[in-house]
Amino acid sequence: GAGVSQSPSNKVTEKGKDVELRCDPISGHTALYWYRQRLGQGLEFLIYFQGNSAPDKSGLPSDRFSAERTGESVSTLTIQRTQQEDSAVYLCASSTTRYEQYFGPGTRLTVT
Amino acid sequence: SQQGEEDPQALSIQEGENATMNCSYKTSINNLQWYRQNSGRGLVHLILIRSNEREKHSGRLRVTLDTSKKSSSLLITASRAADTASYFCATVGTASKLTFGTGTRLQVTL
Repeated sequence: GAGVSQSPSNKVTEKGKDVELRCDPISGHTALYWYRQRLGQGLEFLIYFQGNSAPDKSGLPSDRFSAERTGESVSTLTIQRTQQEDSAVYLCASSTTRYEQYFGPGTRLTVT
Repeated sequence: SQQGEEDPQALSIQEGENATMNCSYKTSINNLQWYRQNSGRGLVHLILIRSNEREKHSGRLRVTLDTSKKSSSLLITASRAADTASYFCATVGTASKLTFGTGTRLQVTL
């Protein structure tokens, strides 16, 4: 079946602009996660959704970052007033349990 | 913040050799997982070991877990060039999020 998809695959934006990153999880997966990965580094947890609610937003680095999920499916991560330090690959994952997570291919964000 | 620290940060071996990567973590866990990442994009789940397990095998992969030392190791036997990737350990605690280590970059040369 279809895996996790993310769009766009690459995004170049100017500093100060807002961006929206989209994640389509595997159908039926109730849990959805967003991570950020800076070049050559590990993954940083951003936010976790269970259904449409977000019980853990602890990883969002600032109030410029927000995320929502509608209909227990698609999620959007929004970064307002982008800064150069926001440049990274943003990865989305979904799962049915606390165990194996299925990752999308990521969105590479470059802020110029 | 990172939970796990992988060791070594980078590893270069020849095809056919075994590769061993280690992971240490700080807090108690429900399970520990290893993931593989090619070219800085999506991660692929390799293997999961529960906190009450000590060793697990999957094909050429062998994972050990020592909860008293808060450490795990991943052994890839008879490595192939296609095993070249970054490998991350990730822990699951009481919450449902994965906390990833910093990764080991494995290079397998012909």
